[in-house]
Amino acid sequence: GQNIDQPTEMTATEGAIVQINCTYQTSGFNGLFWYQQHAGEAPTFLSYNVLDGLEEKGRFSSFLSRSKGYSYLLLKELQMKDSASYLCAVMDSNYQLIWGAGTKLIIKP
Amino acid sequence: GAVVSQHPSWVICKSGTSVKIECRSLDFQATTMFWYRQFPKQSLMLMATSNEGSKATYEQGVEKDKFLINHASLTLSTLTVTSAHPEDSSFYICSARDWTSGINEQFFGPGTRLTVL
Repeated sequence: GQNIDQPTEMTATEGAIVQINCTYQTSGFNGLFWYQQHAGEAPTFLSYNVLDGLEEKGRFSSFLSRSKGYSYLLLKELQMKDSASYLCAVMDSNYQLIWGAGTKLIIKP
Repeated sequence: GAVVSQHPSWVICKSGTSVKIECRSLDFQATTMFWYRQFPKQSLMLMATSNEGSKATYEQGVEKDKFLINHASLTLSTLTVTSAHPEDSSFYICSARDWTSGINEQFFGPGTRLTVL
């Protein structure tokens, strides 16, 4: 079966760095997405990785290792507004998105 | 980036009535649209995938006669919840993708919160 694993909840301090891991097992691979979702709102796109390596976009970076079925989202200089759920999703061979359950990130002052 | 709108943003209805939710791609042609449901503190659950001009493909466990999906044009898809019951109360989110663009990203609408009394 297809499976996406990510931690349920993480806590970090304002100004610090946090890494949210995602491991996956899917039938085929056409890229991995990270989305941010604030409570009561729809997800918003953060990043897309299809090749191995690190993609940096401002305070957010995303890493992919296809051989290990592993990705992480790195958030630097955390701000209170970064408190949200972070969703990892993999696009399979049928171009369908397989979603993880999301990681709730709590930022403390 | 591409914009997807949903209407209404929230709706309250009586049990037994039907509710229609619209999803529109505003500045691109959505060859494929997806409908998701999300219960509180849970992840997105894909309900169905629809390609313009063809019947929607429903995920296992989703009743196609209860959740009617129409994708009649490249910019509009509708989800009708028929004979709604309190257990249908949820956050419904649509997303859209343009296959012809070569971009795999799905663009999400803002969601519709349905409360059935």
